Amino acid sequence: GAVVSQHPSWVICKSGTSVKIECRSLDFQATTMFWYRQFPKQSLMLMATSNEGSKATYEQGVEKDKFLINHASLTLSTLTVTSAHPEDSSFYICSVPGTGELFFGEGSRLTVL
Amino acid sequence: GDSVTQMEGPVTLSEEAFLTINCTYTATGYPSLFWYVQYPGEGLQLLLKATKADDKGSNKGFEATYRKETTSFHLEKGSVQVSDSAVYFCALSHGSSNTGKLIFGQGTTLQVKP
Repeated sequence: GAVVSQHPSWVICKSGTSVKIECRSLDFQATTMFWYRQFPKQSLMLMATSNEGSKATYEQGVEKDKFLINHASLTLSTLTVTSAHPEDSSFYICSVPGTGELFFGEGSRLTVL
Repeated sequence: GDSVTQMEGPVTLSEEAFLTINCTYTATGYPSLFWYVQYPGEGLQLLLKATKADDKGSNKGFEATYRKETTSFHLEKGSVQVSDSAVYFCALSHGSSNTGKLIFGQGTTLQVKP
């Protein structure tokens, strides 16, 4: 069964609104989770590392005020896309480190109109 | 910086055909190399990995050999099945196997027809 669950799978929102995506670790207690972004026909790019109980670590070029990450418990990390614009439309994927490998969620597709 | 390049898809094959998906990389030092697979509606799953030169990763009939001299990690399978239809991602990492700092290729969609 799934080790990591993301919700929602699909979301459509109006420009200027904020959208929250949840990532739940079902089998592991995760002090760290990772958030990726994928544009059509392009690679997955690591956006940030979510740290339980402390601030997320963002990759170069990722706006931390645009992509708010909260890791409030050992099983849940959330990514909030604030004041979303059409260029934020993308596929967002989270992952959880397990024993010897990463486990990925099924992804959340965001479309901003 | 480090990068991974995969052959563009989609790759369309008939059942029982031989599969090769090319992957080449650019990296400093000696990265670990991975193939991930994403079936429709599911998350990426680790398919196989190799952590040093000349290592061969294998799983579910798929194989890939870490070729440092050609900086390649091509994925092969002798006889594909319809159930192999998925998106395949090549990736590298300088850390441990469960580090999040993976560099991915753009993914190759495989369609296997009966």
